[in-house]
Amino acid sequence: QLQLQESGPGLVKPSETLSLTCTVSGGSISSRDYYWGWIRQPPGKGLEWIGSIFYSGSTHFNPSLKSRVTISVDTSKNQFSLKLSSVTAADTAVYYCARDSRVKYSYYMDVWGKGTTVTVSS
Amino acid sequence: EIVLTQSPGTLSLSPGERATLSCRASQRVTSSQLTWYQQKPGQAPRLLIYGASSRATGIPDRFSGSGSGTDFTLTISSLEPEDFAVYYCQHYGTLYTFGQGTKLEIK
Repeated sequence: QLQLQESGPGLVKPSETLSLTCTVSGGSISSRDYYWGWIRQPPGKGLEWIGSIFYSGSTHFNPSLKSRVTISVDTSKNQFSLKLSSVTAADTAVYYCARDSRVKYSYYMDVWGKGTTVTVSS
Repeated sequence: EIVLTQSPGTLSLSPGERATLSCRASQRVTSSQLTWYQQKPGQAPRLLIYGASSRATGIPDRFSGSGSGTDFTLTISSLEPEDFAVYYCQHYGTLYTFGQGTKLEIK
């Protein structure tokens, strides 16, 4: 059974870079059928897609965050990572990683990690 | 960018009742790119419906999705206690966008 697990610091200082890793188990990140995505949810608010990556390294980003976001993949470790630079308090959120399925013109996130809370504060 | 507007913001119903949740897009969208999720407090979202009307694996048949163009609906035919949660619609065009959510609460 495919599982995703986020990891990384729970506290980041303003203006610094948030770094998270998602470890995929029970399946290969190198599947041609899937992208791998990051989504966040500020406290008490809705969901915001950050971006997604294919195993080859091809990426798609939310334009609102694109200038600050880097997503990378390490197929040898079955992991993909998120870096968000110049963070502010507005970046405080639960960050989820998810499998991004793009099959037969349908697009959806079908397997999610449990999420990790990141707080931006000095 | 397509904006998804969900209504109502909060829906108060009793177990056994029928729930109808709406998702309206700011412009016409392809049905295959419309998705519904359920989220319970402290949990990650759970895929319910993709392609506007296809149930995800393991989703009970009391959940159904319908609609086309700009108007889409998630229907729960007879509410079970575990169905009370927040529901989000999502669209993929050149990026993923989510609606603001509908909270389904026990009356």
